[in-house]
Amino acid sequence: GAGVSQSPSNKVTEKGKDVELRCDPISGHTALYWYRQSLGQGLEFLIYFQGNSAPDKSGLPSDRFSAERTGGSVSTLTIQRTQQEDSAVYLCASSEVGGADEQFFGPGTRLTVL
Amino acid sequence: QQQVKQSPQSLIVQKGGISIINCAYENTAFDYFPWYQQFPGKGPALLIAIRPDVSEKKEGRFTISFNKSAKQFSLHIMDSQPGDSATYFCAASIEYGGSQGNLIFGKGTKLSVKP
Repeated sequence: GAGVSQSPSNKVTEKGKDVELRCDPISGHTALYWYRQSLGQGLEFLIYFQGNSAPDKSGLPSDRFSAERTGGSVSTLTIQRTQQEDSAVYLCASSEVGGADEQFFGPGTRLTVL
Repeated sequence: QQQVKQSPQSLIVQKGGISIINCAYENTAFDYFPWYQQFPGKGPALLIAIRPDVSEKKEGRFTISFNKSAKQFSLHIMDSQPGDSATYFCAASIEYGGSQGNLIFGKGTKLSVKP
């Protein structure tokens, strides 16, 4: 079956613009995670969804970041008024029910803010 | 505060050699410790994972050693092959108690296996 897909694969934007990143999880997976991978910083947890609810948003770095999930499936991560420090690879992962279930990662969206 | 510390940052090993990557954690509530492998341009993929009720887990050429008292765990890759060249991440999470399982990652180790 299809894995986790993300779009776009690359996004170049100008400082101050808003961007939307999309994640399509594996069908039937109720848990969805967003992570950010910066050079030299490893992967940082951003937000967790269980169904359409986000019980843990603790990793979002500022109020410029928001995310939603609809229909228990597709999720969108929105970054408003982008800054250069937002440049990173944004990774989405899904798992069957959460907890210690294996998380399957998408290929990521590389965001470059000029 | 970095909850999972990983070393070394980079590692060069000859084909057939043993690659060893170490991680240390701080939060004693962690009860699930996976290792992920990432190739350039791809997302990480689960390689092997361990829970703290065992001290070692082996899957093929990959072994996790776990020391609960020292709060350390390591990945051993036996008979390392050029195809193992990738970045490896250790991680930790809390499986039980209603936690959602979000992973706390180490900063990664770039492994190069020379032919």
